[in-house]
Amino acid sequence: SQQGEEDPQALSIQEGENATMNCSYKTSINNLQWYRQNSGRGLVHLILIRSNEREKHSGRLRVTLDTSKKSSSLLITASRAADTASYFCATGFQGGSEKLVFGKGTKLTVNP
Amino acid sequence: EPEVTQTPSHQVTQMGQEVILRCVPISNHLYFYWYRQILGQKVEFLVSFYNNEISEKSEIFDDQFSVERPDGSNFTLKIRSTKLEDSAMYFCASRGTSVNTGELFFGEGSRLTVL
Repeated sequence: SQQGEEDPQALSIQEGENATMNCSYKTSINNLQWYRQNSGRGLVHLILIRSNEREKHSGRLRVTLDTSKKSSSLLITASRAADTASYFCATGFQGGSEKLVFGKGTKLTVNP
Repeated sequence: EPEVTQTPSHQVTQMGQEVILRCVPISNHLYFYWYRQILGQKVEFLVSFYNNEISEKSEIFDDQFSVERPDGSNFTLKIRSTKLEDSAMYFCASRGTSVNTGELFFGEGSRLTVL
């Protein structure tokens, strides 16, 4: 079954540094998405990258996708304390399936 | 900005009781979902709903679960006889009309505690 798995599980950095999170999955995908979740809150969509795309940018976010390695990375540049949250990759919409399959997430702490 | 709203934010219930969780998706969306997240674990897909019927469900979504869109705005998840292991955060989500848009909009969640 397709499954997004992020690493590291936890990441602690200083404000201003870059944060890189990785995601691996097992099967072919239609797209891969990254979501953010503040503690105890809902998930917020950050960025979607399609299987025919290799890189995408949105503000301070940069996502790459390597379908040959079945992996993706999320880079947050110039991190801020407000970026502290859990970040999840989700794979989905393959073969007509409606479901997104989420990974376990990376808990990012940005220290001021 | 349009948002998905969920009620209640927290519900405590006794094992065996029925629970209904309510959601108001974004008004022009046509695809609706329920996901759940047990504390400290992954977000898991429960069910998707389109054109007034279930389009896909997971193995978690057994006969104890049902969904309904009773009117043009609400989307509900019912658990008929709650078990301890149903304790989790339940998230409603909706998606826009374009088949190429995979982005889901999630609500803030309803925390269910089964005692």
